Amino acid sequence: DTGVSQNPRHKITKRGQNVTFRCDPISEHNRLYWYRQTLGQGPEFLTYFQNEAQLEKSRLLSDRFSAERPKGSFSTLEIQRTEQGDSAMYLCASSLREANTGELFFGEGSRLTVL
Amino acid sequence: SQQGEEDPQALSIQEGENATMNCSYKTSINNLQWYRQNSGRGLVHLILIRSNEREKHSGRLRVTLDTSKKSSSLLITASRAADTASYFCAMGLNSGNTPLVFGKGTRLSVIA
Repeated sequence: DTGVSQNPRHKITKRGQNVTFRCDPISEHNRLYWYRQTLGQGPEFLTYFQNEAQLEKSRLLSDRFSAERPKGSFSTLEIQRTEQGDSAMYLCASSLREANTGELFFGEGSRLTVL
Repeated sequence: SQQGEEDPQALSIQEGENATMNCSYKTSINNLQWYRQNSGRGLVHLILIRSNEREKHSGRLRVTLDTSKKSSSLLITASRAADTASYFCAMGLNSGNTPLVFGKGTRLSVIA
């Protein structure tokens, strides 16, 4: 079990550029979540998948944000036309629905800095 | 929106002392979980307490839940410098079919 893996760990980009983050969950986990965390705050829910289906999206997820999990394994989170307000840590987590506890296993996060 | 509030926002104690963090929430829950986050890292699950439970223990951790007051507390006994981290409560709002809602966290500093 290698845990949840996120890449890249750090991304610095200029305002207006597009960025993409990748998350590889724990292999047997069928649920995958994206959260955003800004300095001094708790994680805020963005979206989650069960297998390849995107089941819920937060109002925080503007139309510049898109997430996919095409084969029910890894997921990507793309931010188009980045803004300085997008600077944050983007956390991915996975879980096993059948565990029925909602316990999440987090990756180390991808830190985005928009200049 | 975040539905949990931790108190205090920051806590500084000496090694060996106990640390108590409180969490209040607004809606009915199925379970409440506590997570730990070292600076710049991901979150790690510590302990889960279900809505029909009042107290749970795990090693040096003790969690209580009072659903009538919509509050929980996390007690870390005999703290160590390595316990320095941020601690978050997270609310499970139903049987596990909705994402966890996190509070804003308590930053704990344990001074050796």
